[in-house]
Amino acid sequence: NAGVTQTPKFQVLKTGQSMTLQCAQDMNHEYMSWYRQDPGMGLRLIHYSVGAGITDQGEVPNGYNVSRSTTEDFPLRLLSAAPSQTSVYFCASRNYRDRGDEQYFGPGTRLTVT
Amino acid sequence: GNSVTQMEGPVTLSEEAFLTINCTYTATGYPSLFWYVQYPGEGLQLLLKATKADDKGSNKGFEATYRKETTSFHLEKGSVQVSDSAVYFCALLTGGFKTIFGAGTRLFVKA
Repeated sequence: NAGVTQTPKFQVLKTGQSMTLQCAQDMNHEYMSWYRQDPGMGLRLIHYSVGAGITDQGEVPNGYNVSRSTTEDFPLRLLSAAPSQTSVYFCASRNYRDRGDEQYFGPGTRLTVT
Repeated sequence: GNSVTQMEGPVTLSEEAFLTINCTYTATGYPSLFWYVQYPGEGLQLLLKATKADDKGSNKGFEATYRKETTSFHLEKGSVQVSDSAVYFCALLTGGFKTIFGAGTRLFVKA
């Protein structure tokens, strides 16, 4: 049972490049989400999904796309990287139906855009 | 809307000191409340939770009580250790899908 896995751990991009951050979970969780963490700002929700084929925007969705073709995978795509997207990105999952269940977080991807 | 406010850090304590990190919330309905901890270079992990008023969550010597009358969920530990140095996040989850996080409080514990 690996929990939530994310790849890569570190990435450096040039402005304008695109890339995909991978996220997978093996707990059969319906709910998955992507956050970014910036100094002094806590975690901000980028996109989330409540099941395969269903995604929705969080509070900071601009510049990011997601898809959910399977229960296990929830990749985050940066369309055209900008320096403002330099951040640490966390993927998380939880059991959607029980509001007492905690979120399980991946180890994070540290992204630098130059 | 729903929100979480927690005390600003950093908090610096000596080993064996008493810890309190304040957390208050605004929410419609009856949220579940959580404390998550983030150790350096890692993702967040659940520390403790409470799902209804007057519940006390506890784990690893940490405690927090769900106080509906004061809309608070303060984190306490009687004697901190160097290994408790981390960032602590208060969070709430209502009937919707989204967990709302506070800004985080960094704790440094000196030997």
